[in-house]
Amino acid sequence: DTGVSQNPRHKITKRGQNVTFRCDPISEHNRLYWYRQTLGQGPEFLTYFQNEAQLEKSRLLSDRFSAERPKGSFSTLEIQRTEQGDSAMYLCASSFTFGGSSYNEQFFGPGTRLTVL
Amino acid sequence: AQKVTQAQTEISVVEKEDVTLDCVYETRDTTYYLFWYKQPPSGELVFLIRRNSFDEQNEISGRYSWNFQKSTSSFNFTITASQVVDSAVYFCALSEAVGSYTGNQFYFGTGTSLTVIP
Repeated sequence: DTGVSQNPRHKITKRGQNVTFRCDPISEHNRLYWYRQTLGQGPEFLTYFQNEAQLEKSRLLSDRFSAERPKGSFSTLEIQRTEQGDSAMYLCASSFTFGGSSYNEQFFGPGTRLTVL
Repeated sequence: AQKVTQAQTEISVVEKEDVTLDCVYETRDTTYYLFWYKQPPSGELVFLIRRNSFDEQNEISGRYSWNFQKSTSSFNFTITASQVVDSAVYFCALSEAVGSYTGNQFYFGTGTSLTVIP
């Protein structure tokens, strides 16, 4: 299967712990996006990368959230000192984009469901 | 203010009826892109269509059609002869081409949950 994959699919953690999620995009895609989705809401954009460069991160929810894509392939999203309000589905998507255009459709992964107790 | 508004939270139709899902967007950019995605009960978002701001031509793909009107900032989605498999949450999304390598922003609406009753 060559779609976007995310690991783990489910994560349960205690408040105050750090968690890290991994996303493997479609191999030829140069852009990678992170979203958060809570129940009954649409995906909420967090950040994105073009290759290894993080081009937009102003919408990361707080300084407890950080993302990396060190070699321009897979990416990780880390949440430090988790809070109950962080409980949500975290979605990753990828696309192939030429130049600065943002028109290409994004292909989404299955998500990582985080539960903070 | 919401960048993308999907006023219909839930819609139920009987199989074979036509249904239109509304999407209203807000942007100051002259170049932007609009999308529709489907999220079935299994959860994974599936791309349906994209439109750029310079292309107002309506599109039909099988039972799906899209009506893009810049004058009313709307990008509505119609399913003709609905089927049970169309039951899902549908999201409209906006991508603003802010700058070139900086600041692309992406906004999703809150979604419309469509139930097709057999």
